[in-house]
Amino acid sequence: AQTVTQSQPEMSVQEAETVTLSCTYDTSESNYYLFWYKQPPSRQMILVIRQEAYKQQNATENRFSVNFQKAAKSFSLKISDSQLGDTAMYFCAFMKDRLVFGKGTRLSVIA
Amino acid sequence: GAVVSQHPSRVICKSGTSVKIECRSLDFQATTMFWYRQFPKQSLMLMATSNEGSKATYEQGVEKDKFLINHASLTLSTLTVTSAHPEDSSFYICSATTGVVGGYTFGSGTRLTVV
Repeated sequence: AQTVTQSQPEMSVQEAETVTLSCTYDTSESNYYLFWYKQPPSRQMILVIRQEAYKQQNATENRFSVNFQKAAKSFSLKISDSQLGDTAMYFCAFMKDRLVFGKGTRLSVIA
Repeated sequence: GAVVSQHPSRVICKSGTSVKIECRSLDFQATTMFWYRQFPKQSLMLMATSNEGSKATYEQGVEKDKFLINHASLTLSTLTVTSAHPEDSSFYICSATTGVVGGYTFGSGTRLTVV
């Protein structure tokens, strides 16, 4: 069974700074998808970014980018120019036939 | 973009009663819907997967008779918590997919409190 590990329960960053959230996963599959989801205080799950495992190029969405290391089974999220609205729980997720979530990292952006 | 509507957002019920939660895809047809449970400050735990017109597939440890799932159309799935007890109090979230990989859309969740 696939597992997803987020080793940082909580993190904080100053506004306008850069922060990296870690995620590792375990799987024997070669083709799969990886996601980062954001859950703000409203608890609405919001897709931040996705990565197809067969693509070597790291995904980027505006201020959000990933460092995907397939051999190391690592999928970290970098948030640049952090904004107060980025404060939320961030979940890393693995998908083959269904989504498997990590335990989440609570990110606080400090003014 | 794809929108999933989940109702109610909050519900309080008495112990022993049943509660129904609805999950609707508003602008697309959802071939598959998923139901999750989230305890405070924890991650989402998949409870079951429902496909339109067929029986739901439940994850290990989830009581089928307590958590009834119906996916009668391509736009509606319902989760009924039967004979609810205080330990069923939790945050329940649904998500839907069109079948396109990565095309998951989440509902806004339902906070269930059983008193």
